[in-house]
Amino acid sequence: DQQVKQNSPSLSVQEGRISILNCDYTNSMFDYFLWYKKYPAEGPTFLISISSIKDKNEDGRFTVFLNKSAKHLSLHIVPSQPGDSAVYFCAASGTETSGSRLTFGEGTQLTVNP
Amino acid sequence: GAVVSQHPSWVICKSGTSVKIECRSLDFQATTMFWYRQFPKQSLMLMATSNEGSKATYEQGVEKDKFLINHASLTLSTLTVTSAHPEDSSFYICSAREPSPGGYEQYFGPGTRLTVT
Repeated sequence: DQQVKQNSPSLSVQEGRISILNCDYTNSMFDYFLWYKKYPAEGPTFLISISSIKDKNEDGRFTVFLNKSAKHLSLHIVPSQPGDSAVYFCAASGTETSGSRLTFGEGTQLTVNP
Repeated sequence: GAVVSQHPSWVICKSGTSVKIECRSLDFQATTMFWYRQFPKQSLMLMATSNEGSKATYEQGVEKDKFLINHASLTLSTLTVTSAHPEDSSFYICSAREPSPGGYEQYFGPGTRLTVT
């Protein structure tokens, strides 16, 4: 039962353009969402998060949008840079009582071409 | 952000031996740490939740007698893979949750590549 899904295994964009990574979830108990970036043979790096009480959170070039009714979130990277090339995972968490377990999507490999 | 370290970064061991992996939170105290496993081109799979001073909580399908977890202090959790077999070869990653009001961010270690021959 894949509760968090990233349907696009890969995405390729040109440097300077916008990268949009999508994520869907099925569990309505999820109320906190996170995006992580991962290089090969390294641990994931936290990028940005959003609480279910918001629909948008922005941090520099990274913006996360949340559509609760559609159970969908997206990560926008503008402008994209070659150094952004990595695997991006979205993750979701339930309430505090769940122990803050994160459920991860399958990841999307982003390639930013110079 | 918070820093989490893992040691060793890679290890090769013979089948039947045991391997211990350490996870440390360097600049904060973590009452809860998590252990993940990642197969090539797959997502991170949570193995267990490590709680300081109490027994770990294992995910369904994870053998607790094979993957021993000890969280002896607020900055250290260890994962011991006992009687390792080639199928245990994988990338093991730990994370720690930095206590913050309303925050659920987990900070990950750099991972440990285990190869069992």
